[in-house]
Amino acid sequence: QLIQSAAEVKKPGASVKVSCQASGFRFDDFGISWVRQSPGQGLEWMGWISPYNDDTRYAQSLQGRVTITTDTSTNTAYMELRSLRFDDTATYYCARGVSGTDYRDAFDFWGQGTMVTVSS
Amino acid sequence: EIVLTQSPATLSLSPGDRAILSCGASQTIISGYLAWYQQKPGLAPRLLIYDTSSRATGIPDRFSGSGSGTDFTLTISRLEPEDFAVYYCQQFGSSPLFGQGTKVEFK
Repeated sequence: QLIQSAAEVKKPGASVKVSCQASGFRFDDFGISWVRQSPGQGLEWMGWISPYNDDTRYAQSLQGRVTITTDTSTNTAYMELRSLRFDDTATYYCARGVSGTDYRDAFDFWGQGTMVTVSS
Repeated sequence: EIVLTQSPATLSLSPGDRAILSCGASQTIISGYLAWYQQKPGLAPRLLIYDTSSRATGIPDRFSGSGSGTDFTLTISRLEPEDFAVYYCQQFGSSPLFGQGTKVEFK
């Protein structure tokens, strides 16, 4: 199970940090990706972290604005997005990788989603 | 960068019909690393198929995946009322990338 933090409203230029707490599986054994979905639109992969060794990969389109981290003491992954723009308004999902070992993966468990609204 | 194109954009069918959804890639997808998801309004995507044809845990056998190289297909053999949703393909031979989706709607 992946439980995400509550919805957020932010102003342009601000930052947002979304959390994703895992339970029911060994956190270190599976990579966690973040995927976002703009209203009425498709799915965009943002990045990935291995809780085992903190290895990370990010989508080129977001490089420099996104940081993914973990806290293994609480089995929680975090996604921080900086310099928010209006088009960052989206539902943000965390998702567990099937294979567990690589950022190139399918996703078998998803969080419930966190709506982030960027509005002035 | 790979581009995934799903067709058709919308499929209008009735319960009991067979649904055939296509996903085309601009380059060969390494090792058949392609997945399919179902998404209903307000919910997270649900993994149906991974590695082109492997059903995820708990997925009914009316869902099947096939294909290779650049052309992949999701088939729903007999549509149940709960199958009307949006379906996405995703490649993971390189950085994960999703198609734009196919909506299966009631005819």
